Amino acid sequence: AQSVAQPEDQVNVAEGNPLTVKCTYSVSGNPYLFWYVQYPNRGLQFLLKYITGDNLVKGSYGFEAEFNKSQTSFHLKKPSALVSDSALYFCAVRDLTGGYNKLIFGAGTRLAVHP
Amino acid sequence: DTGVSQDPRHKITKRGQNVTFRCDPISEHNRLYWYRQTLGQGPEFLTYFQNEAQLEKSRLLSDRFSAERPKGSFSTLEIQRTEQGDSAMYLCASSLIQADTQYFGPGTRLTVL
Repeated sequence: AQSVAQPEDQVNVAEGNPLTVKCTYSVSGNPYLFWYVQYPNRGLQFLLKYITGDNLVKGSYGFEAEFNKSQTSFHLKKPSALVSDSALYFCAVRDLTGGYNKLIFGAGTRLAVHP
Repeated sequence: DTGVSQDPRHKITKRGQNVTFRCDPISEHNRLYWYRQTLGQGPEFLTYFQNEAQLEKSRLLSDRFSAERPKGSFSTLEIQRTEQGDSAMYLCASSLIQADTQYFGPGTRLTVL
């Protein structure tokens, strides 16, 4: 079965410092991986995805993610964190079981950026 | 803005009542998904439509839940005889058939008293 793990419930970082939010996955076949962000009382906002190609994927708001097949990881990164980046971040993998395109999400990581 | 919209944004109901939520996808999107998110968890898949056809339902979708997409545009999710365990955020997403990215609406937060 497809699964995603986000090992950290919360990540704390000072404004201006680089940030990393970790994600590992378990899939059969080629992984299609996604990052979404959720602000309080809001739906999920798409940040970026990895389908194939370059292992470094660039997305919205200066975020990027590095796909590592040998470590089955897809960590989200940003060179310089902003206080406004504080939110809940979800990693997801596409599940094609049965031929349908549903997403399997991790439990989420809360990012807190301190001034 | 032509993103996914959901109505209502919040719903408070008493146990045993029926509730219905509406989702309007991005206009050219053929696929529509419903997810449920409980506090402290990631969204969990409930059901999926391609145009008007409901193609997959999760085991999470008990007999009290029903979803429709009658004309392949908007969708409704109905919960009959609500229980306190139904309290959650109900999220709708849509995507193009040929695309992989699902775009989510703001969600409907259900509180069952």
